[in-house]
Amino acid sequence: NAGVTQTPKFRILKIGQSMTLQCTQDMNHNYMYWYRQDPGMGLKLIYYSVGAGITDKGEVPNGYNVSRSTTEDFPLRLELAAPSQTSVYFCASSYSLGNDGYTFGSGTRLTVV
Amino acid sequence: GEDVEQSLFLSVREGDSSVINCTYTDSSSTYLYWYKQEPGAGLQLLTYIFSNMDMKQDQRLTVLLNKKDKHLSLRIADTQTGDSAIYFCAESIRNTDKLIFGTGTRLQVFP
Repeated sequence: NAGVTQTPKFRILKIGQSMTLQCTQDMNHNYMYWYRQDPGMGLKLIYYSVGAGITDKGEVPNGYNVSRSTTEDFPLRLELAAPSQTSVYFCASSYSLGNDGYTFGSGTRLTVV
Repeated sequence: GEDVEQSLFLSVREGDSSVINCTYTDSSSTYLYWYKQEPGAGLQLLTYIFSNMDMKQDQRLTVLLNKKDKHLSLRIADTQTGDSAIYFCAESIRNTDKLIFGTGTRLQVFP
């Protein structure tokens, strides 16, 4: 089992560029999440999805978009990159909350210059 | 709103016990979790405790839950250099599948 796979691992963007962070899971999990991690700030929820075709905003959705056309994939889109979006982005999935918690990907480190 | 707080740093000597503390706000949380993040990696689930429990032990790890004070702690016995990492506590939000994470505590173990 690959678990949760994120690509790319690293990326440098110029201000105003756009990109898509990819996330795929092979565990048939219904729930998927995107978090950003900033130093000393913990993890902040950007968007989440409870199943294919359904997405919802988290705590910090501005500047991002998501889609969930399949159970496996949950890409995160940045349309107009800004320096404030420099962060480490984590995708996670879960079947349902319980004693398994979330399964996390290894993260994408994004720098906007 | 929901908030989960942790101290940012903890430094211990190898072989000593480490205690990482966390306070949370949602008294109706069903599960509380501890995750470990090693450098350059994602978060890995270490252990969890169900809200109707006071204590859970899993090898070197002991989780204590004080629901009255909304306080959660993680004790690592015989701390090793391999335990150096950032530790996050997280609470589940009732009737959702969302977790709220703390700021993380960086544990440094020195010889």
